[in-house]
Amino acid sequence: DTEVTQTPKHLVMGMTNKKSLKCEQHMGHRAMYWYKQKAKKPPELMFVYSYEKLSINESVPSRFSPECPNSSLLNLHLHALQPEDSALYLCASSQGASGDNEQFFGPGTRLTVL
Amino acid sequence: AQRVTQPEKLLSVFKGAPVELKCNYSYSGSPELFWYVQYSRQRLQLLLRHISRESIKGFTADLNKGETSFHLKKPFAQEEDSAMYYCALFSGSARQLTFGSGTQLTVLP
Repeated sequence: DTEVTQTPKHLVMGMTNKKSLKCEQHMGHRAMYWYKQKAKKPPELMFVYSYEKLSINESVPSRFSPECPNSSLLNLHLHALQPEDSALYLCASSQGASGDNEQFFGPGTRLTVL
Repeated sequence: AQRVTQPEKLLSVFKGAPVELKCNYSYSGSPELFWYVQYSRQRLQLLLRHISRESIKGFTADLNKGETSFHLKKPFAQEEDSAMYYCALFSGSARQLTFGSGTQLTVLP
C-alpha cells in the first residue's frame, strides 16, 4: 500500500460541533503532517509528528487538536471551529528523520464550517 | 528563514510550445528542492526533485545555486500538463516543506 488515505472526503459542521479527521498510511513512514489548503493557495503546515510525537505546531489555534495514536494513524480533532476554518485539510507522510524527505499526500478532507 | 518565490500566478501556453515555470528560493543551508503538481480534483503529487536529476513526463528542473533558482521546463507542452505547480524547499533544520505560492499552467489546444 503506497497511498495516504483520508476520511471523510467531505465534512460539513456547525460552529458548536465536535468532529475528527482521520489519516492513515501503511508505508512505514515515521513522520506525518497536517496541512490546511485554501482554494488556489499552497498548503500551509499546521502540525508535524515525528515518531508519534508532536514536533512542530505552527501556532495553530487550540480548536484544532492533533493526535497520533500509532505510527500509521493521524487524527485531527475539531471543536468550535469558525467559518474561516473552511478549507481542504491535507495529510502527508514521509520516511522521517534521516530518511527520504519526499512527502506523500492524501486526497484531503474538504471541510465546510457553517 | 527559508522562502520560495514563484513569480507567475498564471501561465498559458499553446500545445507544443516550450514552457518554463520559474522558482527562486532563499535558504542559508544546502537546499533540497521539489516540484509538486496538483491536477484538477487529484491529490498533490511529487513531480521532480533536484537530487534525482531525472525527467518526469518530459519535465526537467536544474538547481542553480548561483541564481538560487530551480525552474521547471518542458520543451513541448501537452494539454494534460494543465495543472497547478508548486515549488517547495525542504529545510533540514526545521524538517518541513516550504511551498511557493504556485503557478497555474494552462496549455491551450
